[in-house]
Amino acid sequence: DAGVTQSPTHLIKTRGQQVTLRCSPKSGHDTVSWYQQALGQGPQFIFQYYEEEERQRGNFPDRFSGHQYPNYSSELNVNALLLGDSALYLCASSSTNSGDTQYFGPGTRLTVL
Amino acid sequence: AQSVTQLDSQVPVFEEAPVELRCNYSSSVSVYLFWYVQYPNQGLQLLLKYLSGSTLVKGINGFEAEFNKSQTSFHLRKPSVHISDTAEYFCAVSDTGTASKLTFGTGTRLQVML
Repeated sequence: DAGVTQSPTHLIKTRGQQVTLRCSPKSGHDTVSWYQQALGQGPQFIFQYYEEEERQRGNFPDRFSGHQYPNYSSELNVNALLLGDSALYLCASSSTNSGDTQYFGPGTRLTVL
Repeated sequence: AQSVTQLDSQVPVFEEAPVELRCNYSSSVSVYLFWYVQYPNQGLQLLLKYLSGSTLVKGINGFEAEFNKSQTSFHLRKPSVHISDTAEYFCAVSDTGTASKLTFGTGTRLQVML
């Protein structure tokens, strides 16, 4: 049973560019959450998708947007990249049937130069 | 709003010694509590969780934690650590809804020494 997968593993962009990160949830899971983990910090909640709609959102600007596909996979898009967007981006999946636990992927390391 | 405080940014301990990693939380509603571990260059792995019932919960790799509602704490313990336990440990809280967002602490670096 594959766990949560994310791609790419690493990414280097320059300021002002746009980036798309991808996530495939654990088998049987229908909810995907995204978190940003800056160096030396705990993860911060960005938003959550369920049934292809954003269900919850954290305190992040509109430059951060997302999408969920019918197969439950998800994308995180960040526009107009800033140096401060450099972080590890973590995807977590869960199931509405047993939704108390979120399972995390390995993350995508984004570096903005 | 919820918050989590992990007062110890680093905890050095010798191998086979016991360890306690402290976590305090703040919330105006009932909560679920979690401990996750993060090894270098990896994602987060669930160690254990408290949802309801017994306040002492046991997790993987010999870890356990105790929920104390009056002190709003959820400290993580292990009676004898191994060098492989060296990692970053995060305490997290969510409300009791389905798939609610997690609020994390800033983490505690457990450094096990020989």
